[in-house]
Amino acid sequence: DQQVKQNSPSLSVQEGRISILNCDYTNSMFDYFLWYKKYPAEGPTFLISISSIKDKNEDGRFTVFLNKSAKHLSLHIVPSQPGDSAVYFCAATVDSGNTPLVFGKGTRLSVIA
Amino acid sequence: AAGVIQSPRHLIKEKRETATLKCYPIPRHDTVYWYQQGPGQDPQFLISFYEKMQSDKGSIPDRFSAQQFSDYHSELNMSSLELGDSALYFCASSLEQPAGNEQFFGPGTRLTVL
Repeated sequence: DQQVKQNSPSLSVQEGRISILNCDYTNSMFDYFLWYKKYPAEGPTFLISISSIKDKNEDGRFTVFLNKSAKHLSLHIVPSQPGDSAVYFCAATVDSGNTPLVFGKGTRLSVIA
Repeated sequence: AAGVIQSPRHLIKEKRETATLKCYPIPRHDTVYWYQQGPGQDPQFLISFYEKMQSDKGSIPDRFSAQQFSDYHSELNMSSLELGDSALYFCASSLEQPAGNEQFFGPGTRLTVL
């Protein structure tokens, strides 16, 4: 059973507009969430994270929102740039230090110039 | 900045052969993780090591084993290879403290079993 779900396999956005990538989780033990970006032939690159004690974390063009009651998080990218085109993975874990990540299946974002 | 190094980047093996994948974590990182990503799938956790001791175990087949050495590099040993073992194998490393769990991934080893 998929504990982290990314229900949109792909998303296309115009350059300069906002990209919103969604992620849902089922395991209420998860208390730390991360977004990774992956280009072909490369490993996932850490983008941004959020602890369950927060509902928002912002880093430049990237903002992650967490709704614990809905078990839902989203990644906002604004403005979107062509270089943002990649597969985005949502991941979750129990924040006890060095626990494994549970990944969603990823969303392929295409930013069109 | 130094990143996670994996070798080899590509590996082709026949069924029933063995393979060894190597991972060199970011300097001073004390935890290493191995993940397997099948075609079109999400990365699945296999096994992790903290300070050279096995820390967590995921969906790692009994045909696979791994260890972390005194210099913190790790090796994933895979025996009796099957066609279904064809996948990308990622190694990641992190610091156990402060808790925050940003794992930094290597470029992966693409294993093809023929």
